[in-house]
Amino acid sequence: DVKVTQSSRYLVKRTGEKVFLECVQDMDHENMFWYRQDPGLGLRLIYFSYDVKMKEKGDIPEGYSVSREKKERFSLILESASTNQTSMYLCASSPIQGSWPPRSSEQYFGPGTRLTVT
Amino acid sequence: GEDVEQSLFLSVREGDSSVINCTYTDSSSTYLYWYKQEPGAGLQLLTYIFSNMDMKQDQRLTVLLNKKDKHLSLRIADTQTGDSAIYFCAESSDSNYQLIWGAGTKLIIKP
Repeated sequence: DVKVTQSSRYLVKRTGEKVFLECVQDMDHENMFWYRQDPGLGLRLIYFSYDVKMKEKGDIPEGYSVSREKKERFSLILESASTNQTSMYLCASSPIQGSWPPRSSEQYFGPGTRLTVT
Repeated sequence: GEDVEQSLFLSVREGDSSVINCTYTDSSSTYLYWYKQEPGAGLQLLTYIFSNMDMKQDQRLTVLLNKKDKHLSLRIADTQTGDSAIYFCAESSDSNYQLIWGAGTKLIIKP
């Protein structure tokens, strides 16, 4: 079974703090993703990575950065947390299908981190 | 850009069938997915259908795809309280790494 783990289920941080959310997958997947989920808005992609040290901005990258130093680990960083970043954060991974252009296939999700910024 | 739309809520009686609908705009979609999210949890892949199929059945789940109308549906037969969740529709195409997600439909089961 594919396993995607996230470092915390619940996190409470203060405005202005630097926040690290970590995600680890054990299936050697090339692609990894960070989403935030807010009621009525579904999943919004923050960043994704298709290889070690490679990253691409998603739909809402402002206020976030990412790091992928190893294939299995993808970190989301909130440089200076703000109250509007209170949300559920979901990490996912997926293998690539086909050769080029590489196409995403089904994504496997971690349990999520509910972040509250006060 | 590509878009996937779903109703936000669906309410059904326990034992009835639930039909969750989804429409998408990308005509080059190759795979279409249904994910389930139980309260407080991550998303779990329920089923998927390749774009050259029009139906897929898996136990209580039936997926119907109308490619001409770009309409996807998920039917859950004999809906149980354990089916209470948010159901997300997503599509992928050959053109990028990402899945395009709907906003999710919250399925509410009435006793």
